[in-house]
Amino acid sequence: QQPVQSPQAVILREGEDAVINCSSSKALYSVHWYRQKHGEAPVFLMILLKGGEQKGHEKISASFNEKKQQSSLYLTASQLSYSGTYFCGTENYSGNTGKLIFGQGTTLQVKP
Amino acid sequence: DVKVTQSSRYLVKRTGEKVFLECVQDMDHENMFWYRQDPGLGLRLIYFSYDVKMKEKGDIPEGYSVSREKKERFSLILESASTNQTSMYLCASSFVGARFTDTQYFGPGTRLTVL
Repeated sequence: QQPVQSPQAVILREGEDAVINCSSSKALYSVHWYRQKHGEAPVFLMILLKGGEQKGHEKISASFNEKKQQSSLYLTASQLSYSGTYFCGTENYSGNTGKLIFGQGTTLQVKP
Repeated sequence: DVKVTQSSRYLVKRTGEKVFLECVQDMDHENMFWYRQDPGLGLRLIYFSYDVKMKEKGDIPEGYSVSREKKERFSLILESASTNQTSMYLCASSFVGARFTDTQYFGPGTRLTVL
């Protein structure tokens, strides 16, 4: 079952902050975040693992709440280059299947 | 840099035609994926291959088949295209992770229109 992302869309001014949430109905082993700019391929941002390990981006941070089965992506001091659609991909507790289940996406628009 | 290429950026086909979408990766990745991207539905997995000639159905395999004869190449086949298969198709590849699912690298996508 697809994880649910919220909000579906957000519009910001440069310098403002945003939070994108990803919630799953199943226990999570890892959460992956990707960004897709208009007309381009999705690009990896970061991985959060059960137990708190985190690998990824310098300027974007995220949290992973295992009990609540959700992750949040924090975009601080937004830049124009942050515009795009953000997807979370979840890996369930069954472990390394190689597959991710992606959410429906959150569209972020940063205006000057 | 990892490169995942797809045979066409745009494709227009007629209902009932057989359609081949090809994907090639140059990083010796074991895993390859085909996704379909529709507005409001995100990325949905059609098929997944974890080795040559090995495949596994994803969430929406109906109306599609796949072929992986060589490690670097993964083909998506629409046996008889229908208008509800009009969509953006994305290919991706990844290594087999040791402890967790590894990063997926995506191709630029093929926008398929079925008339």
